[in-house]
Amino acid sequence: DGGITQSPKYLFRKEGQNVTLSCEQNLNHDAMYWYRQDPGQGLRLIYYSQIVNDFQKGDIAEGYSVSREKKESFPLTVTSAQKNPTAFYLCASSIGGASYEQYFGPGTRLTVT
Amino acid sequence: AQSVAQPEDQVNVAEGNPLTVKCTYSVSGNPYLFWYVQYPNRGLQFLLKYITGDNLVKGSYGFEAEFNKSQTSFHLKKPSALVSDSALYFCAVRRVGAGSYQLTFGKGTKLSVIP
Repeated sequence: DGGITQSPKYLFRKEGQNVTLSCEQNLNHDAMYWYRQDPGQGLRLIYYSQIVNDFQKGDIAEGYSVSREKKESFPLTVTSAQKNPTAFYLCASSIGGASYEQYFGPGTRLTVT
Repeated sequence: AQSVAQPEDQVNVAEGNPLTVKCTYSVSGNPYLFWYVQYPNRGLQFLLKYITGDNLVKGSYGFEAEFNKSQTSFHLKKPSALVSDSALYFCAVRRVGAGSYQLTFGKGTKLSVIP
């Protein structure tokens, strides 16, 4: 988990509220990613950013938004439009380049009731 | 398009026995392949990767994986399992030459090492 911090570890929200998950990295990586993990479904990509001020939708972007104003930060907002937001959210980063592995943060478990 | 299949949801092995966690992939062209491990309520940790060259890749904690292009497989192996190896294992693929760095993950295999 070293080098990537996600806060908070546990987050509780009421339905209808937007919530922002923090992700910071001190690895000087160009690329950053957000994944959602649900039991038995593996990891699904929400958004990714290969450079500052640019990001692309992943496979399940609906109901989520991101920004990448600084190289070290890639916050994820879970909006009220996300139908089923309760999940484990993982942030990752990598050196720019397709052959490089991704490094993951410790995750944030979001519960919406 | 790219995809990964991990055909076993769970693998049980006795401590000290060899272990294998299976992975097959589908990409148009050549792949970059990765294995990660996840302990409960934690992020994923990188174990090893295949980029090019030798088909047998060695990684962290005594794990290795064999790339087999004809069978489109990248099985994870360890000669002697430890109880501490019990975790969730993910295989991932990215197509060589793909414009993005997007990884596609399998659904994971839960490894249980029995004392």
